Amino acid sequence: QKEVEQDPGPLSVPEGAIVSLNCTYSNSAFQYFMWYRQYSRKGPELLMYTYSSGNKEDGRFTAQVDKSSKYISLFIRDSQPSDSATYLCAMNGGNEKLTFGTGTRLTIIP
Amino acid sequence: DTEVTQTPKHLVMGMTNKKSLKCEQHMGHRAMYWYKQKAKKPPELMFVYSYEKLSINESVPSRFSPECPNSSLLNLHLHALQPEDSALYLCASSQREIGGISGNTIYFGEGSWLTVV
Repeated sequence: QKEVEQDPGPLSVPEGAIVSLNCTYSNSAFQYFMWYRQYSRKGPELLMYTYSSGNKEDGRFTAQVDKSSKYISLFIRDSQPSDSATYLCAMNGGNEKLTFGTGTRLTIIP
Repeated sequence: DTEVTQTPKHLVMGMTNKKSLKCEQHMGHRAMYWYKQKAKKPPELMFVYSYEKLSINESVPSRFSPECPNSSLLNLHLHALQPEDSALYLCASSQREIGGISGNTIYFGEGSWLTVV
């Protein structure tokens, strides 16, 4: 079993829809949770960062962490074509090693 | 725009060539990383430098040789690569706060696309 599981998609939704992206993990030592957005042929861009359980909101993006279920989510409201990208969840226990999910490829259809 | 700058953006090299990838950050971060990313896969950690010292080598073949001249610069020297080494090479940096609420948020550069022919 992988330490981090993420549905690879692809996921296609119409413009304006709410998008839900999810990851599950098995390592209870993970405390820091990140979502990266990666456009084609570019480096990953840090979108959201959350420490421990709870919610964090930044504009149209909301990150949720449920450590009891070992489950994290990223919600995108009022999705735009510019949100079309691969979304990677990542997490670590506070050291230098980041464990990634496989990434979900998202397409927003105008 | 990312504050981690990588050069060159694209590199084509033969299997007998020697080349280098370069990375620079001006965020005052004390940890720097090299990752390798193949198509449709997540980044894979290669090396970590912490306070200019190599702290993690993920069993990377010796044809890849990292160097950290100072806290802002990171190089990856390439020699006798194989076609299967063709990939996107990503540099990243982080503050390296061990523990604490800030954790260890890692910021990536745009990457260097390497093709080995």
